[in-house]
Amino acid sequence: QVQLQESGPGLVKPSETLSLTCTVSGGSISSYYWSWIRQPPGKGLEWIGYIYYSGSTNYNPSLKSRVTISVDTSKNQFSLKLSSVTAADTAVYYCARDPGFAVVAATGVTTDYYYGMDVWGQGTTVTVSS
Amino acid sequence: SYELTQPPSVSVSPGQTARITCSADALPKQYAYWYQQKPGQAPVLVIYKDSERPSGIPERFSGSSSGTTVTLTISGVQAEDEADYYCQSADSSGTYPVVFGGGTKLTVL
Repeated sequence: QVQLQESGPGLVKPSETLSLTCTVSGGSISSYYWSWIRQPPGKGLEWIGYIYYSGSTNYNPSLKSRVTISVDTSKNQFSLKLSSVTAADTAVYYCARDPGFAVVAATGVTTDYYYGMDVWGQGTTVTVSS
Repeated sequence: SYELTQPPSVSVSPGQTARITCSADALPKQYAYWYQQKPGQAPVLVIYKDSERPSGIPERFSGSSSGTTVTLTISGVQAEDEADYYCQSADSSGTYPVVFGGGTKLTVL
């Protein structure tokens, strides 16, 4: 079965860039939506953004100016970069898969069809501190 | 911003039925998804597209939709169902394609 594993530094200094990678095993990354979600200590889930296997991205508007998500199909990985971090970015970061698909109409309009995030990584704790 | 509203907590006795609601303006037009999260664990999808149950999820978990409110129902609650539950949906404009509710703590008395 498909498994996801987050990796990256557990400690990042304020104002620097947080970088995480999610490795997909047991299946191909060349389909579906691949998301990053975070959860600050004692708080709820916050969606950061996703990348469709084709490379198109969608980000949470509240984080959009600081977020970049990319995919490396040759390594079966996708990555998160969050710039200019502060203590408020301290959280458990999860990667997850949504086995949905996108349909591009003849007009060029894309419609996304989601199925929910059915596979999650175990999460990795990132602390922002000097 | 776009928000999904859930009650902070719900309490039920074992064997009873728990109902957790999630409300938002776009829910008549957008599917909802439900996740269960136990302490120290990643979330688990328990309902997708309002009322579909993934394989491996017990039949006691069900979902429904009515107007601007979706409901996760757990029939015959068991002690192991004690967890945080989150709904997920989207707004109608596409600006917020993925939004989580604030979460509901289900306590089994």
